Amino acid sequence: AQSVTQPDIHITVSEGASLELRCNYSYGATPYLFWYVQSPGQGLQLLLKYFSGDTLVQGIKGFEAEFKRSQSSFNLRKPSVHWSDAAEYFCAVGEAGGGNKLTFGTGTQLKVEL
Amino acid sequence: DVKVTQSSRYLVKRTGEKVFLECVQDMDHENMFWYRQDPGLGLRLIYFSYDVKMKEKGDIPEGYSVSREKKERFSLILESASTNQTSMYLCASTTAPTGRNTIYFGEGSWLTVV
Repeated sequence: AQSVTQPDIHITVSEGASLELRCNYSYGATPYLFWYVQSPGQGLQLLLKYFSGDTLVQGIKGFEAEFKRSQSSFNLRKPSVHWSDAAEYFCAVGEAGGGNKLTFGTGTQLKVEL
Repeated sequence: DVKVTQSSRYLVKRTGEKVFLECVQDMDHENMFWYRQDPGLGLRLIYFSYDVKMKEKGDIPEGYSVSREKKERFSLILESASTNQTSMYLCASTTAPTGRNTIYFGEGSWLTVV
């Protein structure tokens, strides 16, 4: 069965600092990988996704993620964090081959210090 | 823009009551989902539907049922609400297959069972 691990429950960074949120997945084949963001009291919004090809994926709001097969990782990065980036971030893995299940990690809460 | 609408944002219900959570999407998506979100547990799939009147159990279906009589509407039913069902419930939809398509989320329904 597929699974996702986000080892950091909370992360605090200063505004303007760089950010990396970790995500490790378990899946038998090449996975479909996603990062979603959830602002307080809101639903989830897609930041970026990876299916195949270039392992560095660009997303919205200046975020990027890198797929590393050898490490089973899909870490999210941003070079300079803004106060509005404070939110909860979820990594997710989807079933390749047409399956319907999307499995989410437990989330990382990002706090941005001004 | 895709819109997934959860009609009830905040509900307070008594133990034993029957609870209906309604979700409507406006993009003719085949697949619809109900997730439950709890702190530290991330999003857990309760049920999903891949067509009208079709449904499959997710990871935590116990105590819940669903109904999909029309393509755009997917309802989550708590037959007899219990306090351990106090949670945030998120509805989502996507085109098939889920694995590689963006899932769109509603803003969530906060349910408190007292």
